[in-house]
Amino acid sequence: AQTVTQSQPEMSVQEAETVTLSCTYDTSESDYYLFWYKQPPSRQMILVIRQEAYKQQNATENRFSVNFQKAAKSFSLKISDSQLGDAAMYFCAYQSGGGADGLTFGKGTHLIIQP
Amino acid sequence: GAVVSQHPSRVICKSGTSVKIECRSLDFQATTMFWYRQFPKKSLMLMATSNEGSKATYEQGVEKDKFLINHASLTLSTLTVTSAHPEDSSFYICSARRGRGRQPQHFGDGTRLSIL
Repeated sequence: AQTVTQSQPEMSVQEAETVTLSCTYDTSESDYYLFWYKQPPSRQMILVIRQEAYKQQNATENRFSVNFQKAAKSFSLKISDSQLGDAAMYFCAYQSGGGADGLTFGKGTHLIIQP
Repeated sequence: GAVVSQHPSRVICKSGTSVKIECRSLDFQATTMFWYRQFPKKSLMLMATSNEGSKATYEQGVEKDKFLINHASLTLSTLTVTSAHPEDSSFYICSARRGRGRQPQHFGDGTRLSIL
């Protein structure tokens, strides 16, 4: 079974600064997807970024980028120019490559933005 | 596009009653829907995978007789919590996958269930 570990229960960053959220995972599969989801207090699950394991290039979405290290099974999220609206729970998630399976989530990191 | 509607958003009911939660894909056909449960300040845990026209696949430890899942059409899956008890109180959230193959999941807004 796959596991996802987020070792930072809470992170705090000054507005406009950069913050990196850590995620490691364990799998014996070679084909899979990795995700970062944002969950604000409204509890909506908002997809931040998606990475396909077979792609070596790190995914980026505006201020959000990942550092995907497949050999190390590491998938960190970097948020640049942090904004107050970025404050939320962030979940790292894993999905088997076939796409038929549900997501395996990490325990989440609570991101606080200091004005 | 890719909107998933979940209803109701909040329900409070007495112990012993059954509660039905609906998950609808509004603008696409979802051959597969997923049901997750989230305890306060915890992560999401996959409960079951719902495939249109077939029986749901439950994760280990999830009681299939307690959590009945029906996926009768390509746009609707329902989760019924039968004979609910206070320990069933939680946040339930569904997701739907468009078509087949390597498509991302789209989440509903969740249902907060409180059993008195």
